[in-house]
Amino acid sequence: SQTIHQWPATLVQPVGSPLSLECTVEGTSNPNLYWYRQAAGRGLQLLFYSVGIGQISSEVPQNLSASRPQDRQFILSSKKLLLSDSGFYLCAWSVLTGSSPLHFGNGTRLTVT
Amino acid sequence: RKEVEQDPGPFNVPEGATVAFNCTYSNSASQSFFWYRQDCRKEPKLLMSVYSSGNEDGRFTAQLNRASQYISLLIRDSKLSDSATYLCVVNTNSGYALNFGKGTSLLVTP
Repeated sequence: SQTIHQWPATLVQPVGSPLSLECTVEGTSNPNLYWYRQAAGRGLQLLFYSVGIGQISSEVPQNLSASRPQDRQFILSSKKLLLSDSGFYLCAWSVLTGSSPLHFGNGTRLTVT
Repeated sequence: RKEVEQDPGPFNVPEGATVAFNCTYSNSASQSFFWYRQDCRKEPKLLMSVYSSGNEDGRFTAQLNRASQYISLLIRDSKLSDSATYLCVVNTNSGYALNFGKGTSLLVTP
């Protein structure tokens, strides 16, 4: 069966510090991968999605970036965090683009201080 | 108009009650629809897909109305454990990812 691992679970970082969140998927090949963010009291916002190695699409311009160095690895990064980057970051995978459900990792709760 | 809209609630219902949520979507070309459940401070989890003819999974029934562009979720015989936020999900205009509503909060009380 497929599983998705995301770490760390919680993170407290000062403003201006870098960020690296990692996500890996097991049990499936060539998944579509996604990064979402959920700010406190708000809905899920799609940040990035990837349909293959090295293929990244950004939905929202901001100081975050994503990379997919391997088929089942998806990384979310920032060079300098802002206070507004605080939130619940969720990695997800799906089989088919846009027409199959997403399966989420446990999420990373990021607090920028 | 937002792509996916839900009544945020909260819906407070007693155990055993039947409760229904609606969700409207703006893109008439949308093809995929889902309901997710999200517990407090947890990740969303797929509750059920929504099919054109409507579908049922135990106490849960999902319906799709393409003409009026809404989907619904009916929960019968509510349990305390049903307390959560229910997210309506529709595929986006671009077709590359799913668009999530902000969710409807349900609280089932003893």
